[in-house]
Amino acid sequence: KAGVTQTPRYLIKTRGQQVTLSCSPISGHRSVSWYQQTPGQGLQFLFEYFSETQRNKGNFPGRFSGRQFSNSRSEMNVSTLELGDSALYLCASSLEGGVSYNEQFFGPGTRLTVL
Amino acid sequence: KNEVEQSPQNLTAQEGEFITINCSYSVGISALHWLQQHPGGGIVSLFMLSSGKKKHGRLIATINIQEKHSSLHITASHPRDSAVYICAVRAAGNKLTFGGGTRVLVKP
Repeated sequence: KAGVTQTPRYLIKTRGQQVTLSCSPISGHRSVSWYQQTPGQGLQFLFEYFSETQRNKGNFPGRFSGRQFSNSRSEMNVSTLELGDSALYLCASSLEGGVSYNEQFFGPGTRLTVL
Repeated sequence: KNEVEQSPQNLTAQEGEFITINCSYSVGISALHWLQQHPGGGIVSLFMLSSGKKKHGRLIATINIQEKHSSLHITASHPRDSAVYICAVRAAGNKLTFGGGTRVLVKP
């Protein structure tokens, strides 16, 4: 089975621009979660999607948004980019969302640099 | 105070040594995860625990729900075990909250 894929792997943007990142989960997985990793804050939960619905949301401003399509692929969007948005963005998929005992499988991440 | 605290932050061991990483949390949880992150960023899920102990190869994870504490042990450590190990808990709202990570270096 193919793993979780994320595109693009690297991205350079300038302040004020917007960016869209994509995540394709493992075939059959219906839940996709997004995380931000920075040297200062570590790993932080952004949001979780299950069956095209946002199930959980972390403490991030409204500039961060996402969606999930009927094939479980997910995108996240960051508008009006700030320097502090430079980070590794990771997505993870699991079989079922909202269930305590589901293992998550992580993608390789998209490294976003905001200049 | 962070909800999830890991210790130590950094650890250097000689090949073959026994390594222990600790994770303490302050909230009620439904599950605890141990993750491994290698240079370059890729994260691998090592264990998911809600009680007791799990073993996979040279790795052992334990959790004490009453004491809100978990440990990850690496037996007979090897240079390829060099990575950052991250503890994460699944609490209210089913969100994952992460510890700061423990950077492990195993020298040959």
